[in-house]
Amino acid sequence: EPEVTQTPSHQVTQMGQEVILRCVPISNHLYFYWYRQILGQKVEFLVSFYNNEISEKSEIFDDQFSVERPDGSNFTLKIRSTKLEDSAMYFCASSELGRAGTDTQYFGPGTRLTVL
Amino acid sequence: DQQVKQNSPSLSVQEGRISILNCDYTNSMFDYFLWYKKYPAEGPTFLISISSIKDKNEDGRFTVFLNKSAKHLSLHIVPSQPGDSAVYFCAGGFQKLVFGTGTRLLVSP
Repeated sequence: EPEVTQTPSHQVTQMGQEVILRCVPISNHLYFYWYRQILGQKVEFLVSFYNNEISEKSEIFDDQFSVERPDGSNFTLKIRSTKLEDSAMYFCASSELGRAGTDTQYFGPGTRLTVL
Repeated sequence: DQQVKQNSPSLSVQEGRISILNCDYTNSMFDYFLWYKKYPAEGPTFLISISSIKDKNEDGRFTVFLNKSAKHLSLHIVPSQPGDSAVYFCAGGFQKLVFGTGTRLLVSP
């Protein structure tokens, strides 16, 4: 069964460093997403991406964050200068068509980001 | 801004019995709702969904009910199995999913 994969599973970084989290969405999916879950809190939407453009982003997704589809299979989330409060599980998701009322998002296993 | 709420943080059920997990939402624009199951240190796993044009959707042991007038949905698992023990999240929306806080289900043998 096709699945979303993410690498690395755990990333430790120093405050102020740049990190890139990588995702391979399900191959025939057209919409891609990033979510995060800070320990003990809800899963929160960060950004959605379609046709090489951001289609929606949350207020969390500020100028420190960027997304890219560098090739036909990978989808990346970059945090330019990490802060302590960026420590969280980051989940990538993809969906087939992004069609209202029907589209299911499938999630990857997550990357645990620890900022020291 | 709690658009999706799961008021029960935990639920304990015996194996073979029915588990009922509840979720309330405030945004009447939501037209699609999903239930996800999550184990610690793993991503949410899709379980079942329902469109706002339906009031019930069934898939094996899992049934989701939607009451639009009450802005309430529930997930029924019957019969419950120990392997169902996990945290269950409801989510609503389109593209930008809004998640509830989750309900930890424990099914004991």
